[in-house]
Amino acid sequence: AQKITQTQPGMFVQEKEAVTLDCTYDTSDPSYGLFWYKQPSSGEMIFLIYQGSYDQQNATEGRYSLNFQKARKSANLVISASQLGDSAMYFCAMKGSASKIIFGSGTRLSIRP
Amino acid sequence: GAVVSQHPSWVICKSGTSVKIECRSLDFQATTMFWYRQFPKQSLMLMATSNEGSKATYEQGVEKDKFLINHASLTLSTLTVTSAHPEDSSFYICSARRTSGPSSYNEQFFGPGTRLTVL
Repeated sequence: AQKITQTQPGMFVQEKEAVTLDCTYDTSDPSYGLFWYKQPSSGEMIFLIYQGSYDQQNATEGRYSLNFQKARKSANLVISASQLGDSAMYFCAMKGSASKIIFGSGTRLSIRP
Repeated sequence: GAVVSQHPSWVICKSGTSVKIECRSLDFQATTMFWYRQFPKQSLMLMATSNEGSKATYEQGVEKDKFLINHASLTLSTLTVTSAHPEDSSFYICSARRTSGPSSYNEQFFGPGTRLTVL
């Protein structure tokens, strides 16, 4: 069985600061993928970043980077230089051998001006 | 890019009626589509996996007779909530997996969601 855990229900960060959103996972699949999605109040799911379990380097996409620690089964999202528009729900997700994406409980990020 | 649409974007219905939600992949073919449900301030919960031309696979605890899924073509999957009740009020989101094209991990694309309110 697969499981995604996000232990931070909510976070407040000052604008322009960096923020780390935590994510741990559990799976017995040897090959899997980890995702982060952003969901603003409109409800749409916005893909941010992906990390494959066999990728040697941590993924980066602009201001987003994924701190992948395979031995610890963690895949934290780091947002550098936060902006007001970053305020949203953030979901960590995983896809295993069954090819379906399952989501964590989410973290609500609020950026203070 | 790969676009997935849902129709309607929101719907209000009376208790006991049935509601159909459509999920379309607009510029790609999708052998597999997924249906999720999201209650307010909660995560997305996978309801079922819809495969073109075959029966859907439901997650544990999801009533297949209540949530009818039809994936009749490579670009369309429908979710029908039968005999809807207020507890079925939720945000329903579909996603579609691209059948072909550039090999990409990001092969699953999400629709904008449908907000269902049952009175």
